[in-house]
Amino acid sequence: GENVEQHPSTLSVQEGDSAVIKCTYSDSASNYFPWYKQELGKGPQLIIDIRSNVGEKKDQRIAVTLNKTAKHFSLHITETQPEDSAVYFCAALNYGGSQGNLIFGKGTKLSVKP
Amino acid sequence: GAGVSQTPSNKVTEKGKYVELRCDPISGHTALYWYRQSLGQGPEFLIYFQGTGAADDSGLPNDRFFAVRPEGSVSTLKIQRTERGDSAVYLCASSFEEGTEAFFGQGTRLTVV
Repeated sequence: GENVEQHPSTLSVQEGDSAVIKCTYSDSASNYFPWYKQELGKGPQLIIDIRSNVGEKKDQRIAVTLNKTAKHFSLHITETQPEDSAVYFCAALNYGGSQGNLIFGKGTKLSVKP
Repeated sequence: GAGVSQTPSNKVTEKGKYVELRCDPISGHTALYWYRQSLGQGPEFLIYFQGTGAADDSGLPNDRFFAVRPEGSVSTLKIQRTERGDSAVYLCASSFEEGTEAFFGQGTRLTVV
């Protein structure tokens, strides 16, 4: 089955700096890769996703890149703000395959220092 | 409602008791997922419904865990003979169909004492 590894487990940056979180996956059939932000006491919230037919996607300060050959994808947050502080999870899914559920990484706790 | 609703938000139960956790998905969403999240970990898949049927229950840890979705909307996760190791946040998510954006509820924090 699919296995998703996420690094780093914790990340501390100064406000205004960029933050990068990286994930690798094992199942080459996976074709949908969302990123979730989870604040304390809340459920995960989707912030951006990418499908395997594109290599990069941007949404304001957030971007995701995908390298299918290497089976890794990354989240980039530019001009970080204190409200970006949260736990971020990557996930992978083989849409259309026998497994309909997301497989999550273990999360990255991002701290943005003002 | 506008989002996925889970009740109760917190549940404390004694070891050996039976508990039910409820999930109200977004109206019109056919796919519904249950996940379990332990402290400091990512959500772990339990079971996935497409409509009324369980399309994949391979994540249920043992036969004490069961889930239903009789009318293809609300789902209930049932845990029998609870153990302290069942303590976790139980998350529910729904999506319009498989492979589209999944929206999560706020979770039910289950504590078994």
